[in-house]
Order: sequence, then C-alpha cells, then structure tokens
Amino acid sequence: GQQLNQSPQSMFIQEGEDVSMNCTSSSIFNTWLWYKQDPGEGPVLLIALYKAGELTSNGRLTAQFGITRKDSFLNISASIPSDVGIYFCAALNAGNNRKLIWGLGTSLAVNP
Amino acid sequence: NAGVTQTPKFRILKIGQSMTLQCTQDMNHNYMYWYRQDPGMGLKLIYYSVGAGITDKGEVPNGYNVSRSTTEDFPLRLELAAPSQTSVYFCASSRRHQSQETQYFGPGTRLLVL
Repeated sequence: GQQLNQSPQSMFIQEGEDVSMNCTSSSIFNTWLWYKQDPGEGPVLLIALYKAGELTSNGRLTAQFGITRKDSFLNISASIPSDVGIYFCAALNAGNNRKLIWGLGTSLAVNP
Repeated sequence: NAGVTQTPKFRILKIGQSMTLQCTQDMNHNYMYWYRQDPGMGLKLIYYSVGAGITDKGEVPNGYNVSRSTTEDFPLRLELAAPSQTSVYFCASSRRHQSQETQYFGPGTRLLVL
C-alpha cells in the first residue's frame, strides 16, 4: 500500500539552529500537510500544500511540495525550545478516497 | 468555534467492557475520522465518514464500530475491550473546498484496557 517515508526519525539540536525534515513516497499526491504534535495533545496543522512546486511559509516554518508530487520538506529556522514535539507529514491522493497517508513522525528536541 | 471536541479525556476499561468515545465538531465539516496512535507511532485510521449516514472502514477497523447520524457527531464504539485497544484515540474533521482539504484534530482520548 501507499506509505510515506519520513526522515529523520529524531533530532536533537541546539537552540537557534535550523532544522530540516522531509517525506518521500513512491506514489503521487495532490496534497501535502505538515502537523506538529505536542505531548498529550492532538496534531495541529502547521502548513498545507496543494500545488506541485509550491513553497509556503508560516513564521519560521517553510514547507515545499516537491515538483514530482512524491515528496515534501519542512524547514524550521532559528529553533526555539517551544519547537519541541513530533512533526508529522501527511499526504492525500487525487481520488475520492478521503484517507490521509501519514509519516511516522520526526521527534524534535531543542537544547536551550 | 470549539473545533473538534472529544470526551472522555481518559478512561480505564476492564477486558470485555464496552464504551463509546464521543466526538463532536462545530465547523460544519462533512468529513470525520477516527484514528488511533500507539506509543511512538504514527496515526492509523480506524473509520471515516464522508457525511451523515455514510461510514467506511479505515486501516484498522476490527473491534470498533461507528455511526454518523448527524453532521456534528461521530461516536466510536468499542464493544468488547481488549488490551490491544489500549491507545490514544483522535477524532478529526475536514471540509473539502476546491480540491483543498485539511484535517483538524481533537485533543484525544487516552484509553487503557486492563
């Protein structure tokens, strides 16, 4: 079945550093979403991408929808302690199937 | 807007007991979803609904049932709780507009089956 390969699995960085994570797949998608999950909470949408090649920013976060429609990346600039959490990518295909495909997450730890 | 609300926040069940996890959204979204998240893992889709009266199985539907009698509510039923159903359960909703869609999540229900 379809699956997303999200990497890295975990990261431990110093405050102020930039972060980059990505998701790849062998399948083509029409939508890429990036979520953040804080401990004990539900995932919260960070950025939504709907067009191949699209580059979208949300504050210190920037995400891109790969031109092949098979991948996406998320960058966080100048990390701060509250960036700690698990980041998930998710993708939706072109059909009427409403099922999001999820990556396994990137766990981010920031050392103040 | 309260968004997606879930009750209860936490529950302990004995093996064989039943319970219903409640989910309500006030955003008039057509689509609703139930996921489970096991420790250190991603989200697995249990059931979903594209509108009132319509439900369909996701990736891991066994041991669960759902109903969608209204647009707002999408309860998840566990009939005979098993230890394998110990997990965190998330409800989500979305509305498709011009081929764009994002899912919004509730805070989760933590279930422990002993």
